[in-house]
Amino acid sequence: DAGVTQSPTHLIKTRGQHVTLRCSPISGHKSVSWYQQVLGQGPQFIFQYYEKEERGRGNFPDRFSARQFPNYSSELNVNALLLGDSALYLCASADRTGTSSGANVLTFGAGSRLTVL
Amino acid sequence: SQQGEEDPQALSIQEGENATMNCSYKTSINNLQWYRQNSGRGLVHLILIRSNEREKHSGRLRVTLDTSKKSSSLLITASRAADTASYFCATRDQGAQKLVFGQGTRLTINP
Repeated sequence: DAGVTQSPTHLIKTRGQHVTLRCSPISGHKSVSWYQQVLGQGPQFIFQYYEKEERGRGNFPDRFSARQFPNYSSELNVNALLLGDSALYLCASADRTGTSSGANVLTFGAGSRLTVL
Repeated sequence: SQQGEEDPQALSIQEGENATMNCSYKTSINNLQWYRQNSGRGLVHLILIRSNEREKHSGRLRVTLDTSKKSSSLLITASRAADTASYFCATRDQGAQKLVFGQGTRLTINP
């Protein structure tokens, strides 16, 4: 069974452009989360979606948006790119939302490395 | 912002030695998890310890949790070169959806 798959793996954009990153969760997983990891730092939470609804949003500007499709795959969109958006964007899936004790163990994809010039 | 701090930020030891990493956090938690990351790739879940547990083992890993001190430690015994990676603790606040990660410990095992 395939794990969490992300595309593209690497991409280079220039300031002001827009980017769309894609994620396919593990089959049967209905929760998808997005994290941003700047070099040398830990991952920072951006969004969580469960059953196509937004369940959590981190402290990121409105330039960041996401959605989840009926097949539970997800897209992360970033508009008006800034140099500081350069990072590894990680998608993670889980089989539940994480409200029950012991849940919310995440399975991560390999990430999409975004470089903004 | 990061939940807490990991200590040390970097650790270099000889193969076969034990490696200990510490994590501190700030709020009341439901559980604490440790993840491993190789060379800027995706994170891999290692172990989860619930807030009502004090110690947990998984293979060569031993995790402790002290909720009164808001701290946790990860011990890797009999280290191997393949253990070279960055290790992150992550906490989930009670009632919250997200995991909050620390800044990580970069572990290097020298052959």
